[in-house]
Amino acid sequence: GQNIDQPTEMTATEGAIVQINCTYQTSGFNGLFWYQQHAGEAPTFLSYNVLDGLEEKGRFSSFLSRSKGYSYLLLKELQMKDSASYLCAVMDSNYQLIWGAGTKLIIKP
Amino acid sequence: GAVVSQHPSWVICKSGTSVKIECRSLDFQATTMFWYRQFPKQSLMLMATSNEGSKATYEQGVEKDKFLINHASLTLSTLTVTSAHPEDSSFYICSAGTGRSTEAFFGQGTRLTVV
Repeated sequence: GQNIDQPTEMTATEGAIVQINCTYQTSGFNGLFWYQQHAGEAPTFLSYNVLDGLEEKGRFSSFLSRSKGYSYLLLKELQMKDSASYLCAVMDSNYQLIWGAGTKLIIKP
Repeated sequence: GAVVSQHPSWVICKSGTSVKIECRSLDFQATTMFWYRQFPKQSLMLMATSNEGSKATYEQGVEKDKFLINHASLTLSTLTVTSAHPEDSSFYICSAGTGRSTEAFFGQGTRLTVV
């Protein structure tokens, strides 16, 4: 079966760095996405990785290792507004998105 | 980036009535649209995939006669929740793609409350 695993909840301090991990087992691979979702809102796109390595975009970076079925989202200089759920999703061989359950990130002052 | 507009943002309806949710791609042609449901504190659950001009493909466990999906044009898909019941209360989200695009563009979501 297809499976995406990510921690349920994480807590971090404002100004710090946090890494949210995602491991996956899917039927084929056509890229991995990270989305941010604030409560009551639709997800917003953060990053897309299809090749191994690190993609940096401002305070957010995303890493992929296809051989390990592993990705992480790195958030630097955390701000209170970063409190949200972070969803990992993998596009399988049929170009369907397989979603993780999301990681709720709590930022404390 | 591409814009997907979903309407209404929220709706309250009486049990037994039907509700229609619209999803429009404003600046691109969406050959494929996805409808998701999300219960509180849970991840997105794909309900169905619709391709323009053809019948939607429903995920296992989703009643196609209850959740009617129409994708009549490349810019509009609708989800109609028929004979709604309180257990249908949820956050419904559409996303649109151009077939094999590398990004799913989401609508704003519709919060449905059935009373």
